[in-house]
Amino acid sequence: GQNIDQPTEMTATEGAIVQINCTYQTSGFNGLFWYQQHAGEAPTFLSYNVLDGLEEKGRFSSFLSRSKGYSYLLLKELQMKDSASYLCAVRDRGNTDKLIFGTGTRLQVFP
Amino acid sequence: EPEVTQTPSHQVTQMGQEVILRCVPISNHLYFYWYRQILGQKVEFLVSFYNNEISEKSEIFDDQFSVERPDGSNFTLKIRSTKLEDSAMYFCASSETQGGKLFFGSGTQLSVL
Repeated sequence: GQNIDQPTEMTATEGAIVQINCTYQTSGFNGLFWYQQHAGEAPTFLSYNVLDGLEEKGRFSSFLSRSKGYSYLLLKELQMKDSASYLCAVRDRGNTDKLIFGTGTRLQVFP
Repeated sequence: EPEVTQTPSHQVTQMGQEVILRCVPISNHLYFYWYRQILGQKVEFLVSFYNNEISEKSEIFDDQFSVERPDGSNFTLKIRSTKLEDSAMYFCASSETQGGKLFFGSGTQLSVL
């Protein structure tokens, strides 16, 4: 079956660094996305990994290891506005548009 | 920045009634999607649409659901006879390329009573 696991909740302090992990077991793999979702709002795109390694984009970085079925999202210099849910989503094959989402990690940033 | 727009933002309906959720995807996008999110649960894929036909659908997308692109800009999701368990936030999304970055609309919160 298809399974994507993330921690349910995390807390961190303003200015700190936090790493949100995602492990996946899918029938295939053709890309992993991270989305940010504030409560009651739409998910917004953060990053995309299809090859192993680290993708950096400002304060946010995402890492992928396909052999381990593992990704993480790294958030640096945390700000209060980073309090949100972070969704890991996998595309399980090349000829599909469907994304399989994890349940999301709710991050709370405290002052 | 261009965005996907959805109307209405909230819809309350009685069980058994038909509802139509409306979306205007980003204008140069060719791939359109509906996802839903039941409160406290994960975002779930419903259907993808390209070149005026369904390209993929999930098990959730049964005969009660249909999608349509009635003109060059709108993309609609119809639920023929709503059930209590259809209560969820419904997100429309679009992308420029197959498998590309999805842009989500702000969602329609559907409440079936």
